[in-house]
Amino acid sequence: EVRLVESGGGLAQPGGSLRLSCEGSGFSFSTYWMSWVRQAPGKGLEWVANIKGDENEKNYVDSVRGRFTISRDNALNSVYLEMNSLRVEDTAFYYCARDADYRGEAWHWGQGVLVSVSS
Amino acid sequence: SYELTQPSSVSVSPGQTATVTCSGDKLGDKFVSWYQQKSGQAPILIMYQDNRRPSGIPERFSGSNSGNTATLTISGAQAVDEADYYCQAWDRLVTFGGGTKVTVL
Repeated sequence: EVRLVESGGGLAQPGGSLRLSCEGSGFSFSTYWMSWVRQAPGKGLEWVANIKGDENEKNYVDSVRGRFTISRDNALNSVYLEMNSLRVEDTAFYYCARDADYRGEAWHWGQGVLVSVSS
Repeated sequence: SYELTQPSSVSVSPGQTATVTCSGDKLGDKFVSWYQQKSGQAPILIMYQDNRRPSGIPERFSGSNSGNTATLTISGAQAVDEADYYCQAWDRLVTFGGGTKVTVL
């Protein structure tokens, strides 16, 4: 069974930093693209970033490029989202997802973790 | 950036057919996925590559994509289908539609 478990959410101040983690199990982690998708409370889904299995390709939505960094450690079956220069508008549930490829077809999702940015 | 447009809401009577559209420039040239999200839950993939259903997704869900519009059809809608539905496609980057709330009443 594929399982994705996020951690690391919480409260941060504007301009602050947080690091999200997502540990995968039940599949060959290193062979899959992984994504982060967020959802502000009461709003729709917004794709944030994705990363290839060998970490050689990474993509970001314009609103986070330069502030967020996606990375992975295949030895630990984990993908990360380092979030810097946080803004109030980054407040959202953050989901990690296992994708079929770079096009974001997300077959499996974690339960999500809440990031709140507030002073 | 690429944009996908969905109606904010669709209502359907039980047993009837619900149609959720997703519009984007030359969308028919791209693969579209659809996700269902029930309140308080993570999304689940219910359609991929326009019209293919993952294992376990009921046959009442079908999809099509042509021209500038992709369509998710729920034939014989049930109360359990009440949820938010999102389309998704790729055009240099991954993009989601704004979501459609489907109400079965």
